[in-house]
Amino acid sequence: DGGITQSPKYLFRKEGQNVTLSCEQNLNHDAMYWYRQDPGQGLRLIYYSQIVNDFQKGDIAEGYSVSREKKESFPLTVTSAQKNPTAFYLCASSISLVSTDTQYFGPGTRLTVL
Amino acid sequence: QQQVKQSPQSLIVQKGGISIINCAYENTAFDYFPWYQQFPGKGPALLIAIRPDVSEKKEGRFTISFNKSAKQFSLHIMDSQPGDSATYFCAASSAPNNNDMRFGAGTRLTVKP
Repeated sequence: DGGITQSPKYLFRKEGQNVTLSCEQNLNHDAMYWYRQDPGQGLRLIYYSQIVNDFQKGDIAEGYSVSREKKESFPLTVTSAQKNPTAFYLCASSISLVSTDTQYFGPGTRLTVL
Repeated sequence: QQQVKQSPQSLIVQKGGISIINCAYENTAFDYFPWYQQFPGKGPALLIAIRPDVSEKKEGRFTISFNKSAKQFSLHIMDSQPGDSATYFCAASSAPNNNDMRFGAGTRLTVKP
């Protein structure tokens, strides 16, 4: 069963804590992305990776970090420096970074800061 | 930095009716315009997409109309069904890469039986 998995589905964080969101894909895609979704707003790009061991900042990278040590995995860490981390986080992947390559999204992680 | 404006925010349609969602963009470099469908608690999924070299693309009950001069594109859902109830996002990107895709704010569609 191919696709993208994200875990956990719900995550609660205390202020000052770092948390890591998991994203795994078995689609053999080179490109992976992290988006943030807030109510009434479109998806905003946090980080993206074109290939293993390479990643680039998106529009709202401040307070976040990523790694891409394996092709199938692209974890996102939300650090304590992120001022307003409560949001729905979506991971996506595509065959390559070409604009017409379809992005496939995972089911998302809802992060709430207590 | 919203470069894609989507309207309406919410839409209620009777079963069998036509749902119309509109998007306008600013960046003339955009050359790929996908629409995504998102059900509650799920990630978005590509529904249909269009390139600016055509004015219309139809897939089943879903049609994208594209007006390059007006920098507008719209999604039409014919014979709307309760199962179409979801949030719809338009998006736009410019070649060559996917990393600059801009999304509209979304339209929550409710189709009443």
